Amino acid sequence: EPEVTQTPSHQVTQMGQEVILRCVPISNHLYFYWYRQILGQKVEFLVSFYNNEISEKSEIFDDQFSVERPDGSNFTLKIRSTKLEDSAMYFCASSEGTVQETQYFGPGTRLLVL
Amino acid sequence: GNSVTQMEGPVTLSEEAFLTINCTYTATGYPSLFWYVQYPGEGLQLLLKATKADDKGSNKGFEATYRKETTSFHLEKGSVQVSDSAVYFCALSDQEGFNKFYFGSGTKLNVKP
Repeated sequence: EPEVTQTPSHQVTQMGQEVILRCVPISNHLYFYWYRQILGQKVEFLVSFYNNEISEKSEIFDDQFSVERPDGSNFTLKIRSTKLEDSAMYFCASSEGTVQETQYFGPGTRLLVL
Repeated sequence: GNSVTQMEGPVTLSEEAFLTINCTYTATGYPSLFWYVQYPGEGLQLLLKATKADDKGSNKGFEATYRKETTSFHLEKGSVQVSDSAVYFCALSDQEGFNKFYFGSGTKLNVKP
């Protein structure tokens, strides 16, 4: 069964460093998403991406964040200058369409900013 | 706005007990509703979904009915197993935009033999 994969599974970084989280969505999916879950809190939407551009983003997704689909398979989330409060589990998801569509989630990347 | 509220955990049950995890929602439009499950060390897996009022989603013995009048989507299972131990997330999808999901806070289920 096709699945969404994410790398790395864990990342530890120093405050102020750049990190890139990588995702490989399901191959025939057209819509891509990033969510995050700070420990003990809800899973929160960050951004959606379609046709090589951001379709929607949340207030959390400020200028420090960017997303990219550098080739036909990868979908990346970059945090330019990490803050302590960026420590969270980051989930990538993809879907075939939008209306009533299921999103398929990856296993997540646990980011720890020191 | 859109939001999901689900019961606090952890919920601890003995094997073969009946499970209910409550989920209520508020929505500006007419959302689709989902239950996802997260097993230890794994990602969010779709458990079941319902896309319109009175629809019942079911999978692996779990069921949930989309109740528009009570804005609820409670998860039930008649007889839980130890292997059902996981975190369960209720979610709704925003039909007005690009299918943004809103999640509840998750309910951890522990099933003891």
